[in-house]
Amino acid sequence: DAKTTQPPSMDCAEGRAANLPCNHSTISGNEYVYWYRQIHSQGPQYIIHGLKNNETNEMASLIITEDRKSSTLILPHATLRDTAVYYCIVRSLNTGTASKLTFGTGTRLQVTL
Amino acid sequence: SQTIHQWPATLVQPVGSPLSLECTVEGTSNPNLYWYRQAAGRGLQLLFYSVGIGQISSEVPQNLSASRPQDRQFILSSKKLLLSDSGFYLCAWRVSSGTEAFFGQGTRLTVV
Repeated sequence: DAKTTQPPSMDCAEGRAANLPCNHSTISGNEYVYWYRQIHSQGPQYIIHGLKNNETNEMASLIITEDRKSSTLILPHATLRDTAVYYCIVRSLNTGTASKLTFGTGTRLQVTL
Repeated sequence: SQTIHQWPATLVQPVGSPLSLECTVEGTSNPNLYWYRQAAGRGLQLLFYSVGIGQISSEVPQNLSASRPQDRQFILSSKKLLLSDSGFYLCAWRVSSGTEAFFGQGTRLTVV
């Protein structure tokens, strides 16, 4: 799986958009970009994933650059409950085989009043 | 719908005692199963993963072992706990040909 690089921490004011970047310059053509978040003392929660097109769901938007070497997770209106560690993961959909599903250190997002 | 159960939620064990953490998944068949550990203030470390009954892959040599006696049951064990085994242990599953992984609520283990 391709390695990802994220800033260790970010701050965001409540109500503003939180833009979390992720670099994945070694991504290959069949690898997807996944985002998870982990609120303190809980298990990680899936947020969104994408291949090359931008994606949006009820939680967030995912913007992937045209060369697919980086992406940005956007929380359009951050709330205090969005304070968490956000993990960007790149991996392929290996059907029929186990995938390691490894996590990096993520970005600790602190939403403030 | 699929659910994952992990217990206990918290555990305090003395050094040298054995450990058994159990994780079960409902509502799916032949899932990929994972055990992770998270030390205080650190990231998620993948410990073991399994593609099927009796099949275990170990990521990090350590004082722990894992077993999968049934399709939807994943057990993390230790014969003798060390202080360094303290941490937050998470079980996760994903459909073998699927996308996202789903995590249990974790077990916070303190070895004293």
